[in-house]
Amino acid sequence: TQLLEQSPQFLSIQEGENLTVYCNSSSVFSSLQWYRQEPGEGPVLLVTVVTGGEVKKLKRLTFQFGDARKDSSLHITAAQPGDTGLYLCAAMIDVYNTNAGKSTFGDGTTLTVKP
Amino acid sequence: DTGVSQDPRHKITKRGQNVTFRCDPISEHNRLYWYRQTLGQGPEFLTYFQNEAQLEKSRLLSDRFSAERPKGSFSTLEIQRTEQGDSAMYLCASSLGITATVGTDTQYFGPGTRLTVL
Repeated sequence: TQLLEQSPQFLSIQEGENLTVYCNSSSVFSSLQWYRQEPGEGPVLLVTVVTGGEVKKLKRLTFQFGDARKDSSLHITAAQPGDTGLYLCAAMIDVYNTNAGKSTFGDGTTLTVKP
Repeated sequence: DTGVSQDPRHKITKRGQNVTFRCDPISEHNRLYWYRQTLGQGPEFLTYFQNEAQLEKSRLLSDRFSAERPKGSFSTLEIQRTEQGDSAMYLCASSLGITATVGTDTQYFGPGTRLTVL
């Protein structure tokens, strides 16, 4: 059973369109991260959200952490071909209450933005 | 900012051979993680270190896999008697560890080592 469910699995859109991808779970997390990964490279951190209901913006990207800290969304406005990539969410479970836990990843949303 | 580095970036080996990968974390980071990622999936946790201590190993880490971090800095991941099913991207990440503030022990990833077992 996948702890983090990401949807959609694949998304292909035209340049200039808006999109939202989701990361859902039945578990509560101390924090959640969004990464972007290009083929043959490691994931690159985009944002960390910690507080329930938190909204963070990174240029055209808007990240939201659910009020109950079980889910998150990533919204991209006016997508560009450079946004193409695999978007991964990862959640940290603070297993030892030491502020440092291991992360579990979803399987990602593969986004293709066509020019 | 040197980031996390991994060596080699690509490794092609024949089934049954041993391979070793190296990871150099961000210098002030106490924790170091190894993950494996296959096509179409997110990274799967293998093991992590707090300084030189290996604190947890996934059930994915069979007895053919061994990881070390002898001086609490760089780490090596060795796979003995490689099998075709070991073909994957092996990712290393590091984080501040227990010195991080609440909920912000974010992991920073290296570029990965792509292993192909023929």
